[in-house]
Amino acid sequence: DIQMTQSPSTLSASVGDRVTITCRASQSITNWLAWYQQKPGKAPNLLISRTSNLESGVPSRFSGSGSETEFTLTISSLQPDDFATYHCQQYKTFPWTFGQGTKVEIK
Amino acid sequence: QVQLQESGPGLVKPSGTLSLTCAVSGDSISSSDWWSWVRQPPGKGLEWIGEISHSGSTHYNPSLKSRVTISVDESKNQFSLNLNFVTAADTAVYYCARTTMVRLFDYWGQGTLVTVSS
Repeated sequence: DIQMTQSPSTLSASVGDRVTITCRASQSITNWLAWYQQKPGKAPNLLISRTSNLESGVPSRFSGSGSETEFTLTISSLQPDDFATYHCQQYKTFPWTFGQGTKVEIK
Repeated sequence: QVQLQESGPGLVKPSGTLSLTCAVSGDSISSSDWWSWVRQPPGKGLEWIGEISHSGSTHYNPSLKSRVTISVDESKNQFSLNLNFVTAADTAVYYCARTTMVRLFDYWGQGTLVTVSS
């Protein structure tokens, strides 16, 4: 299985901060990487696919980049609605696997 | 608007069978590529359990394959999960999700907590 490792596990930030979350794959996944946002008690919501493609309705302050084994999710200016847990997922190779999640909390 | 809703017992005894159903509305099971089950133990990350197509083709996570069965009922527009010989490690929120051909999870149920305990 491809192991997905996110860092940090928890991130404390303030409204307006620029935030970056890293996701590393144990082997190359080219650009088959997605990001999901999950709020407490809710299901995950697909934010970004194919490393950098924003899903419909996702604010432009979110962006994704990377390739092969290292990927990042950036929030350019953190908003109150962005405090949540973010998960990366690889969908290059069966079985589909997720990172352990990064919780973005209020500083 | 596509909606998925999980249902089933919230408490299962150790060594028993966890059984959940996902009812789909706003979309036909036969018109989408795959349908998946994903779980999340309390305070932990997401784990993909397995997927089924409308025709009944299945793929299971090798870590659970010996204990998992996913089935589909097109007439009721729903699909189901059975997980046998459960232990406390199977305690989790279980989600059903619509799955694209490339294996993105684009619509999710609200999730249901299943606790394994005597």
